[in-house]
Amino acid sequence: EVELLESGGGVVRPGGSLRLSCAASGFAFDDYGMSWVRQAPGTGLEWVSGLNWNGVSTGYVDSVKGRFTISRDNARNSLYLQMNRLRTEDSAVYYCARGGLGYYMDVWGKGTTVTVSS
Amino acid sequence: EIVMTQSPATLSVSPGERATLSCRASQSVSNNLAWYQQKPGQAPWLLIYGASTRATGIPARFSGSGSGTEFTLTISSLQSEDFAVYYCQQYDIWPQTFGQGTKVEIK
Repeated sequence: EVELLESGGGVVRPGGSLRLSCAASGFAFDDYGMSWVRQAPGTGLEWVSGLNWNGVSTGYVDSVKGRFTISRDNARNSLYLQMNRLRTEDSAVYYCARGGLGYYMDVWGKGTTVTVSS
Repeated sequence: EIVMTQSPATLSVSPGERATLSCRASQSVSNNLAWYQQKPGQAPWLLIYGASTRATGIPARFSGSGSGTEFTLTISSLQSEDFAVYYCQQYDIWPQTFGQGTKVEIK
């Protein structure tokens, strides 16, 4: 079964850091680009970042550029999002999704919640 | 960035009726347009990609059309499980952007 499982969410103070992880299973992870998408409470979806199959090409929404870093480890079938200098407006459910960087997202994880609050 | 505008914000429909959802892009995205369904407390689910291709396992009552800047998602006969929020998303140009969503509710 194709599955994505996020972890690493939590409560952090403004200015703090978190590292999200996404464990992939059931498919050839290194054949696909991957993305992170977030959803703040009561709002819509926002694509945050994505990368291609080998991590060489990456993209970010302007609001996180210079603060967030996406990466992957194909040997571990894992996707990561390092989030630094967090702001209250980064509070959201963060979803890992298969696809992105010019592709639709056809598999989604259940999400992990990030709360940035003092 | 490309702005995606969905209309209406809320659509009230009776079970068995047809629902038509619209999505407009601020500039052409060719046919690089996807539709997702999201139910409360759940992750989004891919319905349509390439503007008109149903994803694996999606019932034929869901259909997509359009290209360039104007797109439509049609649900031919609403079932109880179809009441949800629907998002369009362009993946033609970075950053990929979503519409604000259309909530389909029971009339």
